[in-house]
Amino acid sequence: SAVISQKPSRDICQRGTSLTIQCQVDSQVTMMFWYRQQPGQSLTLIATANQGSEATYESGFVIDKFPISRPNLTFSTLTVSNMSPEDSSIYLCSVRSLNNEQFFGPGTRLTVL
Amino acid sequence: AQKVTQAQTEISVVEKEDVTLDCVYETRDTTYYLFWYKQPPSGELVFLIRRNSFDEQNEISGRYSWNFQKSTSSFNFTITASQVVDSAVYFCALSEANERHREKLTFGTGTRLTIIP
Repeated sequence: SAVISQKPSRDICQRGTSLTIQCQVDSQVTMMFWYRQQPGQSLTLIATANQGSEATYESGFVIDKFPISRPNLTFSTLTVSNMSPEDSSIYLCSVRSLNNEQFFGPGTRLTVL
Repeated sequence: AQKVTQAQTEISVVEKEDVTLDCVYETRDTTYYLFWYKQPPSGELVFLIRRNSFDEQNEISGRYSWNFQKSTSSFNFTITASQVVDSAVYFCALSEANERHREKLTFGTGTRLTIIP
């Protein structure tokens, strides 16, 4: 299975600031994704991170709010911009392996005051 | 549109009992993948299984087993001889294989399982 690391593991931020979350995977993967899990809720896909091009966003999520980069096959970043308390969530990086299994990183627990 | 329903919000059983977690899905595709994940109190999401829609064989892995029934669009998960370490939230998820939705996982709302010692 793929081993995924995320940094930071948690953060407490002030309203109006931005936070960049990093995701690194230890092996070749076909796809990388960013999900959000709001408190007590299920997971929702934010976007698919595309290598060398703009991410593909799901309905309700926009690039200005959640800019994403994927400079190579095994690394991606998600920025949560101009944060508000409603952005308090766990943000999870996910990868699809070569045999179509899908793994998740440990998550970044974000609290916005 | 794809949809996953986990009707059981919370289940509690006494240790060593068997428990089944239900998952019902909706999709227009004939080719799709079904997943189960475990999220223990520590928060990480642990991959348990991926099942291709063409493979209707039931699967067993230790105390875990999965029953896939296309006729009822269900992919239920059974834990036999439950243990306290099985306490977690369990998510069922669906991924369609058509071009547009190829890689997107749609999750159910999860079932919180508590094993009482």
